[in-house]
Amino acid sequence: DQQVKQNSPSLSVQEGRISILNCDYTNSMFDYFLWYKKYPAEGPTFLISISSIKDKNEDGRFTVFLNKSAKHLSLHIVPSQPGDSAVYFCAPRGSSNTGKLIFGQGTTLQVKP
Amino acid sequence: ETGVTQTPRHLVMGMTNKKSLKCEQHLGHNAMYWYKQSAKKPLELMFVYNFKEQTENNSVPSRFSPECPNSSHLFLHLHTLQPEDSALYLCASSQDLAVGGIYGYTFGSGTRLTVV
Repeated sequence: DQQVKQNSPSLSVQEGRISILNCDYTNSMFDYFLWYKKYPAEGPTFLISISSIKDKNEDGRFTVFLNKSAKHLSLHIVPSQPGDSAVYFCAPRGSSNTGKLIFGQGTTLQVKP
Repeated sequence: ETGVTQTPRHLVMGMTNKKSLKCEQHLGHNAMYWYKQSAKKPLELMFVYNFKEQTENNSVPSRFSPECPNSSHLFLHLHTLQPEDSALYLCASSQDLAVGGIYGYTFGSGTRLTVV
């Protein structure tokens, strides 16, 4: 049973516009939610995270929104740039003691010039 | 350079072979992880080490054997693998377990393993 779902395998947006990547989860005990970005032939790199006690966290062009009642989070990228083209993974923390992250399947973002 | 180095980058092995994957970090981190990414599947946690001690084995078959001789090095020993074990194996590290879950891990570039 998948605890973390990214239902859109891919997303294409125009440069300068907003990219919105979505993630749904089932476990209400998750306390931190992380987003990772992955380029081909490289390992994932940490992008931004949010605590379950917050509903928004912003870092430059990246903002993550958390809706606990809906068990949904989203990553907004504004404005989108061609260099943002990558696979984005949602990864809630499974347990505060293990540091275990549970990854979604990923969404491939393509930003067109 | 990500700070976490994995070797080899690519590996092809037969089902009767024994091979090892190596991971090295010089970030001063104390927690290290092995993840597996199969085609069309999410990253799956395999093992977690904290200060050289294994803290999690995510029901991984015994044909995968991890080793952590010190906080900077992590190995994954492979023997009698199956073709379905072909995947990208990723190593990661974090300052400690708690920090890893909040500020993320540093991942290596992975070893692409093909079992024939």
